[in-house]
Amino acid sequence: GQQVMQIPQYQHVQEGEDFTTYCNSSTTLSNIQWYKQRPGGHPVFLIQLVKSGEVKKQKRLTFQFGEAKKNSSLHITATQTTDVGTYFCAGRWRNYGQNFVFGPGTRLSVLP
Amino acid sequence: GAGVSQSPSNKVTEKGKDVELRCDPISGHTALYWYRQRLGQGLEFLIYFQGNSAPDKSGLPSDRFSAERTGESVSTLTIQRTQQEDSAVYLCASSPGQMNTGELFFGEGSRLTVL
Repeated sequence: GQQVMQIPQYQHVQEGEDFTTYCNSSTTLSNIQWYKQRPGGHPVFLIQLVKSGEVKKQKRLTFQFGEAKKNSSLHITATQTTDVGTYFCAGRWRNYGQNFVFGPGTRLSVLP
Repeated sequence: GAGVSQSPSNKVTEKGKDVELRCDPISGHTALYWYRQRLGQGLEFLIYFQGNSAPDKSGLPSDRFSAERTGESVSTLTIQRTQQEDSAVYLCASSPGQMNTGELFFGEGSRLTVL
């Protein structure tokens, strides 16, 4: 079946440093979503990207969708302790049903 | 409440017993998903319901797993003859449907422990 890979698996940063997680698919995605899961919580939707080369910003978070729609990234500028959690990408492919396949996630730790 | 509601929040059972997990989606949401999340792992797709269409069962790991949904309301995930490897958090999510953003709204999950 279809899969999305995510790197890195873990990231430890000092508060104030930047953070980036990458998501990759071997085949062209229809769209991609990003979710954040706080420790002990459930995933919460952050953004959906649909268009090739799309860039969206939410305050300190920048989301990109690759030109070939096979990769995506989430960049956080000047991390804060409230950014702690696991960030998942979730992909959907045309002609592969309507379910979203989640990546394994990147667990972010922010040291104060 | 306005969110996705799941019950029970915690379930401890003995190996070999059957369990039933319930999900109440957000009213009006036509799409409903079940995912499994083992400790420290990602989300594993189990099954997807969209309106009155046939469900996508491609993620169910074995014939011990089944799910039903009545119309566009409550869904039940049943695990028969539970095994220790079934221990996980079972997450339900609903979505307004294909024509919207596709955002999945997750419930708090049902934590299943099989002894």
